[in-house]
Amino acid sequence: GESVGLHLPTLSVQEGDNSIINCAYSNSASDYFIWYKQESGKGPQFIIDIRSNMDKRQGQRVTVLLNKTVKHLSLQIAATQPGDSAVYFCAEGGGTSYGKLTFGQGTILTVHP
Amino acid sequence: KAGVTQTPRYLIKTRGQQVTLSCSPISGHRSVSWYQQTPGQGLQFLFEYFSETQRNKGNFPGRFSGRQFSNSRSEMNVSTLELGDSALYLCASINKGATNTEAFFGQGTRLTVV
Repeated sequence: GESVGLHLPTLSVQEGDNSIINCAYSNSASDYFIWYKQESGKGPQFIIDIRSNMDKRQGQRVTVLLNKTVKHLSLQIAATQPGDSAVYFCAEGGGTSYGKLTFGQGTILTVHP
Repeated sequence: KAGVTQTPRYLIKTRGQQVTLSCSPISGHRSVSWYQQTPGQGLQFLFEYFSETQRNKGNFPGRFSGRQFSNSRSEMNVSTLELGDSALYLCASINKGATNTEAFFGQGTRLTVV
């Protein structure tokens, strides 16, 4: 079936480095994509979204890139901080399903001081 | 504005019992969707409600059901609980605008079946 998958399950970086988390998706009908951060014991926290008619969107210290040709999504975190340590999920939605999100497996980001 | 509120936060039930979980979405959001999160399966879609109508349903048995009220609040019910139903149940409040999509989650209800 259709799914969203991540290339790397874990990522370790040093504080101050830039982090890049990748995601592959397979549903070409999806028209929005969202990145979430989830800390232990909490619900997923919305980071940034991007529509399928865009290829880049920037937020505070984060940038999401969308490459529809290869169905690839990435989240870039600038100047990564220990507080960024968490599990990061990409999700796709839209198309014929307004509010149904399909999630990737998640990437564990660990930031070392 | 207030975030997504899920109640209760924690619940312990016995096999065979039933449970009802509640979700209050962000004011103005009409779409509510539910997810089950487990270490082994990740985040799996249960169902989506929009204006009191179920629009999508995931691949879960009929023991899992839900509904949405006219004020957009939603409930999900699990009957005849099994040990494998132990999970974090998450509710998402969604609003798709012209240029961006708001999809926010509550803190979840941690259900433990013993």
